[in-house]
This record gives sequence, C-alpha cells and structure tokens, in this order.
Amino acid sequence: GAGVSQSPSNKVTEKGKDVELRCDPISGHTALYWYRQSLGQGLEFLIYFQGNSAPDKSGLPSDRFSAERTGGSVSTLTIQRTQQEDSAVYLCASSLEIGEQFFGPGTRLTVL
Amino acid sequence: DAKTTQPPSMDCAEGRAANLPCNHSTISGNEYVYWYRQIHSQGPQYIIHGLKNNETNEMASLIITEDRKSSTLILPHATLRDTAVYYCIVRVQTGANNLFFGTGTRLTVIP
Repeated sequence: GAGVSQSPSNKVTEKGKDVELRCDPISGHTALYWYRQSLGQGLEFLIYFQGNSAPDKSGLPSDRFSAERTGGSVSTLTIQRTQQEDSAVYLCASSLEIGEQFFGPGTRLTVL
Repeated sequence: DAKTTQPPSMDCAEGRAANLPCNHSTISGNEYVYWYRQIHSQGPQYIIHGLKNNETNEMASLIITEDRKSSTLILPHATLRDTAVYYCIVRVQTGANNLFFGTGTRLTVIP
C-alpha cells in the first residue's frame, strides 16, 4: 500500500512568512510524528499524535510552531513568522499504536 | 530511553558482510533495540528490531548479546545501495513514543 506522503517536497520562503507542511500517514496508523533534521544533524522530535489523545508537544521549539491532525489522519505542521534557523528537513512518520515508525520523504524548508 | 553509542563511520567492501556495532549498556528490561537507516536525502527507513533473541529478516540480522548491553546489525552481502547512516535506538515497545536518533554510523560500501 501507499507509504507516508508529505507535501510540498521543497519550500522556499522569506523570513517572517508563515508556512504549512502537510503529512498524509499510512491508512490505519493511529500514531503520527513530526521531526526535523538540520543539515548534517540527527532527527529532532517535534510533536506526536496518538488517536484521540492530546498531542505530545514537548518537542516544539517555540510557540511559532503548531500542528494539528484532522480526523485522525492528515496532519499539518504550521510555522509562523519563519526564521532562518527554521531551515531544515521536516519529516513525518506514522505507526500503529506500537511498533516501528514509517517515515515520509520529508519537506525541505529553506527560509531566506 | 537508553543512550546508545555507535562508531561514527565504517567502510565495507561490496559483497562482504557489514557488521555495525552498538553499545547500550544502560538498556532497561522492557526496552527493545531498533535499527533504522537513512540514505542520503531520504527519510529514515526501519530495518529490524529485537528484545533479547537474535532476529533476521529480508534486510538484515540483529545479534543481541546475552546481557543485552550491546548489539550488532549485520548486512550479509552489502551493496552500494546500502551506503547510508545507520541508527541504533533503544525504546520501550508499549505505547507510541518518539524515537531518539543519535548521530549513527555512516556506512560506506566500497566497490
């Protein structure tokens, strides 16, 4: 079946603008995760959703970052008033309630 | 989740077995060992996981020491497409939770 998809694959924006990144998880996966990866670095956890439970937002770096998951499926990560340090690859993953995470191809965000 | 230690880089000749070590001396009894890899410009890819028994799938084998303080991922016949950063992660199985990716081992398969 289809894997995790993300859009757009690349996004270039100007400092101060808002951006929205989309993730379509694997059908039936109840858990959804957002990570980001700066150039040459490991993955940094941002937020995770599990079913109808309140999301774990402990990894969000500032209040400019927010995410929602509508209908337990598609998720949108929003970054307001983007800064240059927000430039990174933003990765989404989904999983069943337990087990391995399946990652999407990521969205490369460049803030000029 | 327990911390893991991996060598920063390794080389392997094409067609030979690649053995990637991981130390996780503080692993807890309910923590599993997971391996992922990340090929350049792609998202991480799940490889294999285990608790205490050795595991094998179509991609790799996972050997966990009896005391569970270390493990080895084995790619039996490395190909050029196996060149990637390999991450060893320990985590509890119950309940979804985020993965902590360290710096991993950069494996380069040499023709």
